[in-house]
Amino acid sequence: DAGITQSPRHKVTETGTPVTLRCHQTENHRYMYWYRQDPGHGLRLIHYSYGVKDTDKGEVSDGYSVSRSKTEDFLLTLESATSSQTSVYFCATRQGLSTDTQYFGPGTRLTVL
Amino acid sequence: AQSVAQPEDQVNVAEGNPLTVKCTYSVSGNPYLFWYVQYPNRGLQFLLKYITGDNLVKGSYGFEAEFNKSQTSFHLKKPSALVSDSALYFCAVRADQTGANNLFFGTGTRLTVIP
Repeated sequence: DAGITQSPRHKVTETGTPVTLRCHQTENHRYMYWYRQDPGHGLRLIHYSYGVKDTDKGEVSDGYSVSRSKTEDFLLTLESATSSQTSVYFCATRQGLSTDTQYFGPGTRLTVL
Repeated sequence: AQSVAQPEDQVNVAEGNPLTVKCTYSVSGNPYLFWYVQYPNRGLQFLLKYITGDNLVKGSYGFEAEFNKSQTSFHLKKPSALVSDSALYFCAVRADQTGANNLFFGTGTRLTVIP
């Protein structure tokens, strides 16, 4: 898994509460991504980062924010969790501009009640 | 706009038989195409990619994929399926050439290899 860890691996929370998911990488990769995986939708990009403090929105960014204060950490925050955000969240990294392959973390299963 | 279609949600194949998992794409410009595999409770693992060159791309675990520009397809193949190949397979296309390298994924195809 290219030295990518995600925490927590499982979380159950209630509607309206804030939630932060963490992605940590030890590969010094420049690019980092957050995806959500839902049945019938495959993986959809939420946000991505192309460097420290450099982030941009993906396909399904509403209700989510991200931060990257260090190369190795990329945080995903659900500002006020809703049941529609129940999903499996994957972090991915890519080494740099000249590379194409993304490497994925093990995922976080989030349930919003 | 970029998109990927995986027309089959489920593919069943007998062990030892050849397998094919289908993927068609739509992209502006030259396509950068990928196959990933997901085993239960794991993240996605890279299998192979097509960037340019030979239309037949070889990847991990004996898999290969054939790029067909006229049919806009990138089907995943393996000559002899193993039970351990049972997993969820995703086709993906690269969105642009600017370096953000955002991937658009298909909805996935669950492959079951029957002993």
